[in-house]
Amino acid sequence: QLQLQESGPGLVKPSETLSLTCTVSGGSISSSSYYWGWIRQPPGKGLEWIGSMHNSGSPYYNPSLKSRITMSVDTSKNQFSLKLSSVTAADTAVYYCARHIISTVTKPRFDYWGQGTLVTVSS
Amino acid sequence: DIQMTQSPSSLSASVGDRVTITCRASQSITTFLNWYQQKPGKAPKLLIYAASSLQGGVPSRFSGSGSGTDFTLTITSLQPEDFATYYCQQSYSTPFFGQGTKLEIK
Repeated sequence: QLQLQESGPGLVKPSETLSLTCTVSGGSISSSSYYWGWIRQPPGKGLEWIGSMHNSGSPYYNPSLKSRITMSVDTSKNQFSLKLSSVTAADTAVYYCARHIISTVTKPRFDYWGQGTLVTVSS
Repeated sequence: DIQMTQSPSSLSASVGDRVTITCRASQSITTFLNWYQQKPGKAPKLLIYAASSLQGGVPSRFSGSGSGTDFTLTITSLQPEDFATYYCQQSYSTPFFGQGTKLEIK
């Protein structure tokens, strides 16, 4: 059974960079069939897609966040990562990592999710 | 961006009821529509993809329908574990989620 687990600091200061890692177990991040994505959810609010990336590169990001996002994949560790720069209180949220099927034949979807990690932006 | 609007925002129902949640896209997304269930403190869970395909392991009381701009999620014979928040998500372009529908016990 595929499992994803987010890790990283729970508290980040304003203007600094938020860094999170997702560790994948029970399957290989090197599979050509999947992208790997990040989604966030501010407390009490809805879901916002941040970005997704294939193990070969080729990231694609939410246009509203694109200027602040960097995603990377480490196949040797079966991990992928998110960096979000210049954070403000508006970036406080639970951050989820997820497997992103992007096939237009079977239709894109997020089928496996991590449990989520709360990141608070505060001084 | 293609916006998604769910209705209602909240809904009260009883165990055994049949419930329908709707999702409308701001432009046609053919059948690029997914439904997720989220319980408090938990990650979303994929229920339906491609508008009407049931994700593996999801009970058959969940079903989805629609194409173009109008979609529905139907739950027949509500069970206690079904009380949660439901989100639609379009996958036609930049992934975008609806605002959610909270299903509460009457």
